[in-house]
Amino acid sequence: GQQLNQSPQSMFIQEGEDVSMNCTSSSIFNTWLWYKQDPGEGPVLLIALYKAGELTSNGRLTAQFGITRKDSFLNISASIPSDVGIYFCAGQRAGNMLTFGGGTRLMVKP
Amino acid sequence: DGGITQSPKYLFRKEGQNVTLSCEQNLNHDAMYWYRQDPGQGLRLIYYSQIVNDFQKGDIAEGYSVSREKKESFPLTVTSAQKNPTAFYLCASSISFGAVLSYNEQFFGPGTRLTVL
Repeated sequence: GQQLNQSPQSMFIQEGEDVSMNCTSSSIFNTWLWYKQDPGEGPVLLIALYKAGELTSNGRLTAQFGITRKDSFLNISASIPSDVGIYFCAGQRAGNMLTFGGGTRLMVKP
Repeated sequence: DGGITQSPKYLFRKEGQNVTLSCEQNLNHDAMYWYRQDPGQGLRLIYYSQIVNDFQKGDIAEGYSVSREKKESFPLTVTSAQKNPTAFYLCASSISFGAVLSYNEQFFGPGTRLTVL
């Protein structure tokens, strides 16, 4: 099936630093999504992107839908300890089905 | 409080036994989904249901079965045919299944961690 390559797999940063992660695909997606998962919980939607080239912010989070529709990135500015978790990108396939990336595990050192 | 509940949070079973995971939603959503998550991997779709009394196989349906007799409920049975059932299972729902060029947000439950001994 389709694959989403998400990088980096993990990051260990100092509180206050900015974070950047990205996803690339061999296929085009209509919608790109970014989720965060806390340990032992279900993912929660952070940002949804619906249009190629779109740049969307949600507080300290900024995400972009790549022009080619095959990639997306997520930036987190001024990281804080509660940013710890696993971040997933996902691309929308036909109907409402999603393909997920492998996740980026973020660890923040106070 | 509207939301999705999954029970139990942790489940242990012996190899060769079937086990059923519960998923209930009171959001009045038409569509429901089951995903499997393995350590260090993304979510993979097992089954989905666009509407009550209907369900479709996802990417990794082998060894699993579902039913959708009520709008609020979408139980998943992990059968003995599933070769490697130990995983974290997530249920989700969305208001509808959507169309090709539209997306309806999927809301996730808290998950069930299944361990087969």
